[in-house]
Amino acid sequence: EAQVTQNPRYLITVTGKKLTVTCSQNMNHEYMSWYRQDPGLGLRQIYYSMNVEVTDKGDVPEGYKVSRKEKRNFPLILESPSPNQTSLYFCASSLRPMGEQYFGPGTRLTVT
Amino acid sequence: EDQVTQSPEALRLQEGESSSLNCSYTVSGLRGLFWYRQDPGKGPEFLFTLYSAGEEKEKERLKATLTKKESFLHITAPKPEDSATYLCAVGGGGSYIPTFGRGTSLIVHP
Repeated sequence: EAQVTQNPRYLITVTGKKLTVTCSQNMNHEYMSWYRQDPGLGLRQIYYSMNVEVTDKGDVPEGYKVSRKEKRNFPLILESPSPNQTSLYFCASSLRPMGEQYFGPGTRLTVT
Repeated sequence: EDQVTQSPEALRLQEGESSSLNCSYTVSGLRGLFWYRQDPGKGPEFLFTLYSAGEEKEKERLKATLTKKESFLHITAPKPEDSATYLCAVGGGGSYIPTFGRGTSLIVHP
């Protein structure tokens, strides 16, 4: 089954404790991206990757890091989380930029 | 800067009562307009891509249309299972960052 998986699905952490949210896709897609979704603000892109070792900033990259060492994986790293990063996070992949995106199930992060 | 405005924010319909959702956009050089459906607690699910004014696409009870300034998602004889939030997004110019609207929350009552 074609899918995008994320882990963990739910995470509660404290300010400053580094964390990683994993994302994996099994569709051989070139393009992957991370979004955060906040009430009243909609989906905003954090980072995207055109291919292995090629990443670039989205609209809201501050406080986040990403890496793309393998085509199928695109982890999101928060090195020093803060409460304003409490949000619902989605990973997505597509065959090409501006193509139809397949989204993961989401990770709900709470930073206290 | 690309902008997307969706209206209404929320819409309540009776089963079988057809209606339309609006997505107004401004973009420099449209590369694609996308419609997604999002159920509570889940990731968005792709519905349609439209590329040029005049284009139309259909899927079951849904039909998406596109002009140079807006797109409509027409829902014909909706059923309760069509209840969801519908998101519109545009991609334009040389950017690889799509701009999403805030969505329309649709509730269809039996």
